[in-house]
Amino acid sequence: DSGVTQTPKHLITATGQRVTLRCSPRSGDLSVYWYQQSLDQGLQFLIQYYNGEERAKGNILERFSAQQFPDLHSELNLSSLELGDSALYFCASSVTGGGASGMNEQFFGPGTRLTVL
Amino acid sequence: GQNIDQPTEMTATEGAIVQINCTYQTSGFNGLFWYQQHAGEAPTFLSYNVLDGLEEKGRFSSFLSRSKGYSYLLLKELQMKDSASYLCAGRPLWAGNTPLVFGKGTRLSVIA
Repeated sequence: DSGVTQTPKHLITATGQRVTLRCSPRSGDLSVYWYQQSLDQGLQFLIQYYNGEERAKGNILERFSAQQFPDLHSELNLSSLELGDSALYFCASSVTGGGASGMNEQFFGPGTRLTVL
Repeated sequence: GQNIDQPTEMTATEGAIVQINCTYQTSGFNGLFWYQQHAGEAPTFLSYNVLDGLEEKGRFSSFLSRSKGYSYLLLKELQMKDSASYLCAGRPLWAGNTPLVFGKGTRLSVIA
């Protein structure tokens, strides 16, 4: 158990719908990262928040958005869902925000499996 | 550059040794992570190399050559439970807060 929690574990919805995925980082971690992992694809970085502020952005679609709240939990909002959005969505956390110093190991949550029908 | 390359699949026999390679552009990264991911589960941290050389941790060892842009993960005394994907991830060299860049992973199958 990494200490990172994600809810829900599974989500089944229809095209065009909107869903919210939730992540609570490990106690003491200030950074939260969101990743998407489709079948046969590697982990695709979506977005990072550090202490409530957006820190880095990856291949995140405009239909997707995220935020980190004062208690440091984060939510990833996916809207106008398409079949191709079906994937495992992982949240990870780390103590620091990254940068050139420090190991900055990321601890991953169990993931949310999203199925869009 | 931000490409991280590793083989897609490998098969090895229980009890044997297997080496999973990872290559990257030397101008891109400083520090390499290895993660293990069982199907449908979260990646879990295995090792981190920032200096050249071999880091040993039980049955698993990881090696880094920064000048060659090359790392490998060595798994000894393979067990069936080692069947998983192994992800190589680089920490970008430039200052700033860019997170890790992951390779697509190497799916290892351990057979009896």
